[in-house]
Amino acid sequence: SQQGEEDPQALSIQEGENATMNCSYKTSINNLQWYRQNSGRGLVHLILIRSNEREKHSGRLRVTLDTSKKSSSLLITASRAADTASYFCANRRSNYKLTFGKGTLLTVNP
Amino acid sequence: DGGITQSPKYLFRKEGQNVTLSCEQNLNHDAMYWYRQDPGQGLRLIYYSQIVNDFQKGDIAEGYSVSREKKESFPLTVTSAQKNPTAFYLCASSVPGLLTNTEAFFGQGTRLTVV
Repeated sequence: SQQGEEDPQALSIQEGENATMNCSYKTSINNLQWYRQNSGRGLVHLILIRSNEREKHSGRLRVTLDTSKKSSSLLITASRAADTASYFCANRRSNYKLTFGKGTLLTVNP
Repeated sequence: DGGITQSPKYLFRKEGQNVTLSCEQNLNHDAMYWYRQDPGQGLRLIYYSQIVNDFQKGDIAEGYSVSREKKESFPLTVTSAQKNPTAFYLCASSVPGLLTNTEAFFGQGTRLTVV
């Protein structure tokens, strides 16, 4: 069964606005990862946060992790039309299995 | 350049045929994965392999088979037992499985269509 669930399923914003996507999971994890997928392409890794970390930054990306609530959020600041893509969270448990959620489709309008 | 290569990009299968999707990586990764992606369903794990000559079923293994005879290669066969094979298939790999705080690298996918 799917371990991660992203929210919302779809998000449409204007260029320059911030985009926030959330992810929930069900069991304990070693780390949580966020990926981006352009339409019809493979996934590209964005950022990884370990279970003992609470916040991580990479350029315009900010990820938070709340293990007590089993949730994570991805914030993209000052969004651009080129950020239009699907975003997935994924978690890895101790058996090395990497499990993905259903994704959030982000549309950034110019 | 190091990377992970899937072929073909597009594949058409007739009813009752087996087809094999290729996945090759030159990243020296021990772990490799196959996922299926359907619209609105996200990625679902078919099979994964932590090391050569070993693999485990994922969440939707029925109708699929894999082999891992070489570290670089993890081919996926979609058998005639898979009743709804039309989907986008993604292969991924990651650094040695014991180091779990690492990301996965993906191929560009194979779109399989039953005709």
